[in-house]
Amino acid sequence: AQSVSQHNHHVILSEAASLELGCNYSYGGTVNLFWYVQYPGQHLQLLLKYFSGDPLVKGIKGFEAEFIKSKFSFNLRKPSVQWSDTAEYFCAVNAKENNDMRFGAGTRLTVKP
Amino acid sequence: DTAVSQTPKYLVTQMGNDKSIKCEQNLGHDTMYWYKQDSKKFLKIMFSYNNKELIINETVPNRFSPKSPDKAHLNLHINSLELGDSAVYFCASSSRGRREQYFGPGTRLTVT
Repeated sequence: AQSVSQHNHHVILSEAASLELGCNYSYGGTVNLFWYVQYPGQHLQLLLKYFSGDPLVKGIKGFEAEFIKSKFSFNLRKPSVQWSDTAEYFCAVNAKENNDMRFGAGTRLTVKP
Repeated sequence: DTAVSQTPKYLVTQMGNDKSIKCEQNLGHDTMYWYKQDSKKFLKIMFSYNNKELIINETVPNRFSPKSPDKAHLNLHINSLELGDSAVYFCASSSRGRREQYFGPGTRLTVT
């Protein structure tokens, strides 16, 4: 089964700072990739996804992620964060052959106003 | 028009009790899941069901049993609750053609 690692456990930024959250996975087969966001006290919501094609994908709220196949990475970026981006962010990898979805441990983002 | 719903939202119970959490999705998806999120926010898949067939069964205690009366519902039954079962349980669903999962609002289970 695939595994997913998120390098940063807790990231603290000031408003307007740029964001990059790391995500790496280990799996030899074809994958679909996702980033989910969980705002405090809420459920997980899909931010963006990669299935195929352009490795740079854009999601909601100004987020984007780049799939680098050679590095098995799918890092999340946002050029300028807002206080409302304070949340937990989860990277997820789905193995196409068996629909097995694995989540990373999550990265808590705190944006200071 | 809630896509994935769970009941109850909060569940407080004593050790040794048996409880159930219900999940329903109205998205027409063919696969449903149960996840456990612990206090450190770690999300662990417990079960998934596809067309009434269990296709992923992680190493969870057999006190936990998923029950799917039809493909729109996947309930989670827990026997002999323990303190360590306290967590937030999320239901999710997806379709085979599009793999993104849609999550329910979660059920916060507290075992005292």
